[in-house]
Amino acid sequence: AQTVTQSQPEMSVQEAETVTLSCTYDTSESDYYLFWYKQPPSRQMILVIRQEAYKQQNATENRFSVNFQKAAKSFSLKISDSQLGDAAMYFCAYSYTGNQFYFGTGTSLTVIP
Amino acid sequence: GAVVSQHPSWVICKSGTSVKIECRSLDFQATTMFWYRQFPKQSLMLMATSNEGSKATYEQGVEKDKFLINHASLTLSTLTVTSAHPEDSSFYICSATGGTGNYEQYFGPGTRLTVT
Repeated sequence: AQTVTQSQPEMSVQEAETVTLSCTYDTSESDYYLFWYKQPPSRQMILVIRQEAYKQQNATENRFSVNFQKAAKSFSLKISDSQLGDAAMYFCAYSYTGNQFYFGTGTSLTVIP
Repeated sequence: GAVVSQHPSWVICKSGTSVKIECRSLDFQATTMFWYRQFPKQSLMLMATSNEGSKATYEQGVEKDKFLINHASLTLSTLTVTSAHPEDSSFYICSATGGTGNYEQYFGPGTRLTVT
């Protein structure tokens, strides 16, 4: 069964510093997609970054990057130069069919000014 | 980018009545739409998956007769909560995929349902 685990319910980071959010998943598939979504207080889900499992290169989107370790089934999100607007719930998600998505329990990120 | 809208954004209804929530893909054809339920400070719980023109596939534990899902076109899916009760009060989110092959979900802004 596919499961996604986020072991950090809450994290905090000083403004302008770097923070890493952890995510592990369980799957027997070899080709799949991994996602990080951000849910600010407005509750609109926003895609932060996407990683295709067949790509060895870690995805990067501006200040957001991932550390994808396929063998370890680990997919952590690094936020550099944290900004106040980064404060939100962050969800890690997995999909291998496009018809089913599995979400982690989320990490609440606080940014301290 | 792909936009998904939901209507209404907030609805209050009396216990025993039914309420319909619409989910529309505004600038793409949604081959698959998903309905989630989210309780405060919790993750998204998938309720059902629907493909255009087909019956929805409900997750275990979700009452299909209570949560009616219709995906009549490639741009519209509706969730009807029938005979609503206070315990149905929640935040409902829809999302859609466009079959582009990148498995990306586009989320609606959500609907807050309060049943009094």
